[in-house]
Amino acid sequence: SQQGEEDPQALSIQEGENATMNCSYKTSINNLQWYRQNSGRGLVHLILIRSNEREKHSGRLRVTLDTSKKSSSLLITASRAADTASYFCATVENSGYSTLTFGKGTMLLVSP
Amino acid sequence: EAQVTQNPRYLITVTGKKLTVTCSQNMNHEYMSWYRQDPGLGLRQIYYSMNVEVTDKGDVPEGYKVSRKEKRNFPLILESPSPNQTSLYFCASSDWGGRTDTQYFGPGTRLTVL
Repeated sequence: SQQGEEDPQALSIQEGENATMNCSYKTSINNLQWYRQNSGRGLVHLILIRSNEREKHSGRLRVTLDTSKKSSSLLITASRAADTASYFCATVENSGYSTLTFGKGTMLLVSP
Repeated sequence: EAQVTQNPRYLITVTGKKLTVTCSQNMNHEYMSWYRQDPGLGLRQIYYSMNVEVTDKGDVPEGYKVSRKEKRNFPLILESPSPNQTSLYFCASSDWGGRTDTQYFGPGTRLTVL
């Protein structure tokens, strides 16, 4: 069953602007991950944040996690046309297994 | 190079003709999984495997079979494909109980069932 729900479904911005995507989930999680998918390609892991973490950075990416609200956000700073892709959040529940449950994704378009 | 490979990448077939999509990983991962991706529905898990000879159903297992005879391979079998199985399929693998639980995805197999 799907757990993560991304918001917005689609986002269109200009190069240099920041892009923020949100994800909400329903159950208790071990960690939450963000993946990127270029059109028709496989998913690429971007960043993982564990349930005991509140914020994490990786290059131009910043992820926050609020377990009380069961929500996460992905911020891409100083966006580039090459950031155009779909972004998915995925959760690993506290079952001890590695099963990922994906949301439906946010489609980001960055115009030059 | 660490990778997950899938074959074929593209396949057009007809209803009822059995097919197999292969998946192989070279990272010695215990966990492997199959997903299908459909517009508006995101990725849905079909089957997963915790280790050799251990498989379990995901969210949408109907019409699919899998096997895990070797650690590196996890083929997806469609015994009698139907048009509603037209989709983009991804195989993924990860460490079992690893530090990251990151899944590594294959490039995808685009299947069309006529």
